Amino acid sequence: DTGVSQNPRHKITKRGQNVTFRCDPISEHNRLYWYRQTLGQGPEFLTYFQNEAQLEKSRLLSDRFSAERPKGSFSTLEIQRTEQGDSAMYLCASSLVYEQYFGPGTRLTVT
Amino acid sequence: AQKITQTQPGMFVQEKEAVTLDCTYDTSDPSYGLFWYKQPSSGEMIFLIYQGSYDQQNATEGRYSLNFQKARKSANLVISASQLGDSAMYFCAMRPRGSNTGNQFYFGTGTSLTVIP
Repeated sequence: DTGVSQNPRHKITKRGQNVTFRCDPISEHNRLYWYRQTLGQGPEFLTYFQNEAQLEKSRLLSDRFSAERPKGSFSTLEIQRTEQGDSAMYLCASSLVYEQYFGPGTRLTVT
Repeated sequence: AQKITQTQPGMFVQEKEAVTLDCTYDTSDPSYGLFWYKQPSSGEMIFLIYQGSYDQQNATEGRYSLNFQKARKSANLVISASQLGDSAMYFCAMRPRGSNTGNQFYFGTGTSLTVIP
């Protein structure tokens, strides 16, 4: 069990650029979640996959955000035309039944 | 509305003492799960303990126990025999299981715990 991994761990980008993050869940987990966490707050739900199907998206997720999970394994989260307000930690979690297991996160800084 | 409230922004405890971190929740779903996570300064969220809304007994995992009071809608985390490595942020979370609420997890704003030697 290698746990949930996320790449890159840190990303600095200029406003207006596109960025893509990757999440590799625990291999037997069919559920995958993306969250955003800003300083002093708990994680905010962004989107949820069951296998390859994206079943839920938060209303917080603007049209600039898109997520995929081809073949039900790894997932990518893309942010287009980044804004300074997108600066946050982006967390991925996977789950089999009840509890979620989180990855180390990708810290995005938009300058 | 689904909501988790953690009213203690910061807590201090002496090493080897027990500490209780408060969590209240609000949901109209009759079935839900309650979770506690630890987030050290490294940033990774670590799952600690789970309690189902229909579980009759309070959950325990090693030094962690969840004091579940359903009528009061509270799910406090008790850490016994605190260790220096317990210093971290602690988040309470809820996952309602109603047909209309899907699979979202709702997190509180967290409590920062500092263990004093």
